[in-house]
Amino acid sequence: GQNIDQPTEMTATEGAIVQINCTYQTSGFNGLFWYQQHAGEAPTFLSYNVLDGLEEKGRFSSFLSRSKGYSYLLLKELQMKDSASYLCAVISGSARQLTFGSGTQLTVLP
Amino acid sequence: DADVTQTPRNRITKTGKRIMLECSQTKGHDRMYWYRQDPGLGLRLIYYSFDVKDINKGEISDGYSVSRQAQAKFSLSLESAIPNQTALYFCATSERETQYFGPGTRLLVL
Repeated sequence: GQNIDQPTEMTATEGAIVQINCTYQTSGFNGLFWYQQHAGEAPTFLSYNVLDGLEEKGRFSSFLSRSKGYSYLLLKELQMKDSASYLCAVISGSARQLTFGSGTQLTVLP
Repeated sequence: DADVTQTPRNRITKTGKRIMLECSQTKGHDRMYWYRQDPGLGLRLIYYSFDVKDINKGEISDGYSVSRQAQAKFSLSLESAIPNQTALYFCATSERETQYFGPGTRLLVL
């Protein structure tokens, strides 16, 4: 089976940096995604990591360590609009199905 | 125009009724998916289709059926709705690994 763990809630201050961690246990790992989801809206794609290391995309960066079953999403220069749920998802198996964690609700305070 | 559309956006129905949720996409992707999202449980895969002739069950297919009428259309049916099918339903499409989500259908079963 698959198991994906991420914190339920986090709070940070506008302008700060926040790191959202995700750990996973899966067989046939093929990659890890991060999605952003505002309340009542569709998840939107943020990043996709297949190889170990850091991928940077503007204010957002995502890191993967396959040997540790660990990833994090780093958000810099936080803005109020970054308040959202951040979903970690792992793609695995021959059918390449996407399995989602329960999401981390980030609240950015002024 | 949105690349992935879902109809209806909101639906209230009664226990035992048959309902259909529809998804259309203009992205030209072969792969389409149906998920449901419940508070605290994240997104869970119901069914997926890699092309018009390919239909596969996901993690929670019981009580649901699907139809892939064309490359661009993928419908989800609840044959006899029950209250615990109350949820937010998302359709998604992909060309390869990265999935793109529709706006969602909020379903309430009374």
